[in-house]
Amino acid sequence: AQTVTQSQPEMSVQEAETVTLSCTYDTSENNYYLFWYKQPPSRQMILVIRQEAYKQQNATENRFSVNFQKAAKSFSLKISDSQLGDTAMYFCAFMKPNTGNQFYFGTGTSLTVIP
Amino acid sequence: KAGVTQTPRYLIKTRGQQVTLSCSPISGHRSVSWYQQTPGQGLQFLFEYFSETQRNKGNFPGRFSGRQFSNSRSEMNVSTLELGDSALYLCASAEAGPSYEQYFGPGTRLTVT
Repeated sequence: AQTVTQSQPEMSVQEAETVTLSCTYDTSENNYYLFWYKQPPSRQMILVIRQEAYKQQNATENRFSVNFQKAAKSFSLKISDSQLGDTAMYFCAFMKPNTGNQFYFGTGTSLTVIP
Repeated sequence: KAGVTQTPRYLIKTRGQQVTLSCSPISGHRSVSWYQQTPGQGLQFLFEYFSETQRNKGNFPGRFSGRQFSNSRSEMNVSTLELGDSALYLCASAEAGPSYEQYFGPGTRLTVT
């Protein structure tokens, strides 16, 4: 079974600063997908960014970018110019294709952006 | 497009009862997955349905079951409720294509007393 580890239960960052959330995973697969999801206090999970393992280029979405290190099985999320609306739980997720869309989630990092 | 909707949003049941939760996916999405979210166990995969067929199932007892209808709407049922079944139940839908992006609903908060 795949495991996803988020070693930072809580983090905080000053508004407009940059923060990096860590995620490591364990798998013997070569082809897979990685995701970061955000769950604000309202509880609706929102996709932040995704990365295909076969792509060497790190994914970016506006202020969000990832540092994907396949050999190290590491998938960190960098949030630049942090905004108050970024306050949320962030979940890292792993998915292996052709397994019925089964996601393996980490335990989450609670991020607080301080004004 | 409308997002994923789940009903009801909140539910209180007593031990031993059964409950049915409903999920309507985004229009055009044929895959529906269910997850249980608790503070202690985090997000755990229950099962996934695609075109009315269960494709994958997580490690939950047989008291947890589901189904999907021809319009892709899905229901999950929990029989003989236990206190430990108190959780937020999330439904997610996805397209049939290779994006593998799941879109989550707001969840149903189930409290078992």
